Amino acid sequence: NAGVTQTPKFQVLKTGQSMTLQCAQDMNHNSMYWYRQDPGMGLRLIYYSASEGTTDKGEVPNGYNVSRLNKREFSLRLESAAPSQTSVYFCASSEGGQPQHFGDGTRLSIL
Amino acid sequence: EDQVTQSPEALRLQEGESSSLNCSYTVSGLRGLFWYRQDPGKGPEFLFTLYSAGEEKEKERLKATLTKKESFLHITAPKPEDSATYLCAVRDMKTSYDKVIFGPGTSLSVIP
Repeated sequence: NAGVTQTPKFQVLKTGQSMTLQCAQDMNHNSMYWYRQDPGMGLRLIYYSASEGTTDKGEVPNGYNVSRLNKREFSLRLESAAPSQTSVYFCASSEGGQPQHFGDGTRLSIL
Repeated sequence: EDQVTQSPEALRLQEGESSSLNCSYTVSGLRGLFWYRQDPGKGPEFLFTLYSAGEEKEKERLKATLTKKESFLHITAPKPEDSATYLCAVRDMKTSYDKVIFGPGTSLSVIP
């Protein structure tokens, strides 16, 4: 049982490059989330999706876009990467309410 | 503004030495307080949900309690495998349903 799968696990980008972080869950959950985790700051919500076809901004959405492709998949896109977006990114899913199942993260460095 | 703080930032215990972690929160109305465990290089693992003052939840050596302003995660006779970062999070009544605010975490090390 895979749970929440994130790809890639590691990525290095140059400033201005774009990339998409992929997330898929196999638990048939309605809600999916993207968080970033920075030292000393805790997890901060970037975007979330309460159901297929809907998305909403979290605390720190600037510089990011998301797509809820279907019930399983929720992707996060950086259109023009900036050094301030260096972070660990986590995708999560739940039946609603608080995030319950997290992936193991994507470690992103932007030079 | 909603806020979640955790103390201490780091805690080092001998195996078997019981202690407590603190989570203090400021929200207009609590819709749930959540505890997670996070191992290095992994995503958080959900542990408990608490909804009202006086509520308690237990799992193995962990017990979470809730008051109107804070929550405690009590660790009884810890073992080295309890070493991890413990995260606290809250959901406020006035925010959208799925918006949850996380604290910075307490890093726990249990020494054999």
